[in-house]
Amino acid sequence: QEQLVESGGGVVQPGRSLKVSCSGSGFTFSNFIMNWVRQAPGKGLEWVGFISYDGSSQYYADSVKGRFIISRDNSRNTVYLQMNSLRVEDTAVYYCARDRNFARWGQGTPVTVSS
Amino acid sequence: SSALSQSPSVSVSPGQTVNIACSGDPVGADSVSWYQQRPRRSPFLVIYQNNRRPSGVPERFSGSKSGNTATLTITGTQPMDEAHYYCRTWDSTNAIFGGGTELTVL
Repeated sequence: QEQLVESGGGVVQPGRSLKVSCSGSGFTFSNFIMNWVRQAPGKGLEWVGFISYDGSSQYYADSVKGRFIISRDNSRNTVYLQMNSLRVEDTAVYYCARDRNFARWGQGTPVTVSS
Repeated sequence: SSALSQSPSVSVSPGQTVNIACSGDPVGADSVSWYQQRPRRSPFLVIYQNNRRPSGVPERFSGSKSGNTATLTITGTQPMDEAHYYCRTWDSTNAIFGGGTELTVL
């Protein structure tokens, strides 16, 4: 069955970096754009950005532009979110979601930014 | 404005019909999807392209759109439908989520 699995979350100090991953299975990964969405504790969903099918284009929310980078390796069916200059307000569960309709979601990986 | 507005909460009795609205300028420009999120679970797509239902989603879920307002309707609401519901659309290359509506089935 179609599945997305995130990994790599953890606790990190403000100003530091962290890279999380999302691996897909059960579908042709390279056929779909991939999104990252986050959810702060007790809050709603916030789109972070997406990457095109082939990785040639990336788009970001203003809140992370210039700090976060999305990349993908279609040979590994994996999309990445590199988070730099992390802030306390970046604390959230980070989800990957497939395609323009966000039709499939992973289980999320928690990221805590705290000193 | 590029924001999507949803009422924070709504309640319904089991077996009744409930409408959850999502409004804003971006609704008029692109199609709308709806997501259900039960407590401690990932979001789940229940409606896409305004009114299309993915396979496996119960027929009691339906969607519509008129002008700058999209509506998710649950007909014959079940206790298992108690969850947060989020609308989403695209504003050019940016995805926008509504703030979410908490549905309570009393």
